[in-house]
Formats: sequence, structure tokens, C-alpha cells
Amino acid sequence: SQQGEEDPQALSIQEGENATMNCSYKTSINNLQWYRQNSGRGLVHLILIRSNEREKHSGRLRVTLDTSKKSSSLLITASRAADTASYFCAMPRTGANSKLTFGKGITLSVRP
Amino acid sequence: DAGVIQSPRHEVTEMGQEVTLRCKPISGHNSLFWYRQTMMRGLELLIYFNNNVPIDDSGMPEDRFSAKMPNASFSTLKIQPSEPRDSAVYFCASSSPGGTEAFFGQGTRLTVV
Repeated sequence: SQQGEEDPQALSIQEGENATMNCSYKTSINNLQWYRQNSGRGLVHLILIRSNEREKHSGRLRVTLDTSKKSSSLLITASRAADTASYFCAMPRTGANSKLTFGKGITLSVRP
Repeated sequence: DAGVIQSPRHEVTEMGQEVTLRCKPISGHNSLFWYRQTMMRGLELLIYFNNNVPIDDSGMPEDRFSAKMPNASFSTLKIQPSEPRDSAVYFCASSSPGGTEAFFGQGTRLTVV
């Protein structure tokens, strides 16, 4: 099944720095989504980028998609301690079975 | 909207007992997902319903696991009999018709001793 592979597994940065996280996948997609999970909570949708889009912004988030390389990146600018969380990419399958599967995620720690 | 509601939030049970986890999706959503999250295996999709019909249950680990969706506003995930290796956080998520964003509940932390 389609499942993203996030990279790196863990990232530790200083508050104010930018955080870049990557996601690679194997088959063609309609869209790619990024989610955040705070400790002990459910996942929260951050941003969705469609296969015909190359870049998308939402506040301090910037997502890029390169369908030729089958990869996406999530950039968080001017990070804050509150950005500390796990981040996941996900790609729904196309067709009748549009299940949504996730990779193992990236643990981001932002040091104050 | 209250979001996706799961109950209970925490469950501790003895090996061999039956466990039932419950989920109320967001009103109007027609897709419902059950996930299991552990440190070792990450977030695994167990089963996916669309319009109350199970579409893909290939992630259900074994026959001890079963899921139902009797109507659009309620789903259950049952484990019978439970085993210590079933200990995990179980999430339910729902999404709207034509929408692709999934909304997650707060999860049920299951501990089987």
C-alpha cells in the first residue's frame, strides 16, 4: 500500500531556526498531506498539496512537492518550542479504496 | 462540532478479556478509519469504512479483532480475547465526502496486563 517514508527520524533545533522534514513515496498520488501529533494527542491535519501543485504555504509552513522525484518537504520557519511534536506525511490511495496510511513520522524537538 | 469522540480514553484490562473501543465520527463524514499506534510499528491502519461499509480490513491483525459500523454516527472496534501485545493507542478518524483531510479523535490508550 502507499505509505510515505519520512526523513530524518528525529530532528532537534533551536527556537527561531527553520526545520525541514522530508517525505518520499513510491507510486503516483493525487495529493500529499502533512499532519502533526503532539504528545498524547491525536493527529492534526496541517496542509494538503495536490499532485499538480509544486508549492503551498500556510502561515509558517511551506510544503513542496516534486512528483518526478516522488518526494515532498515540509518547512517550518522561525520555529517555536510549541512546534515540538511528531510530523507525518500521508497519501490517500486513489479510486474506491481511498484509505489513508502514514509513515513512522519525524520527531521534532525545538529547544527554547 | 465536538470533533471525533472516542471512548474510553484509557482502558486497562486483563489478558483474555473482551475489549470494546467506541468512536463517534464527525456528523456528515462518510469515511471512518481505525488506527493503532505503537512505538515499534508506528501508526497502522486497521480498517476503513466508507458509508458504513468496510472497504479495507487488510490491516486487522487477526481474527481476534473485529470492527462494526452499524450507522453513520457510531463505530466499534472489539478485541476478543485481548493479549498483552494488543497494548497500544487506538485512534479513530473520519473524513467528509470528497474530502481528503482526516480528523482524528484523542485516542484510547489500551493496556492489557
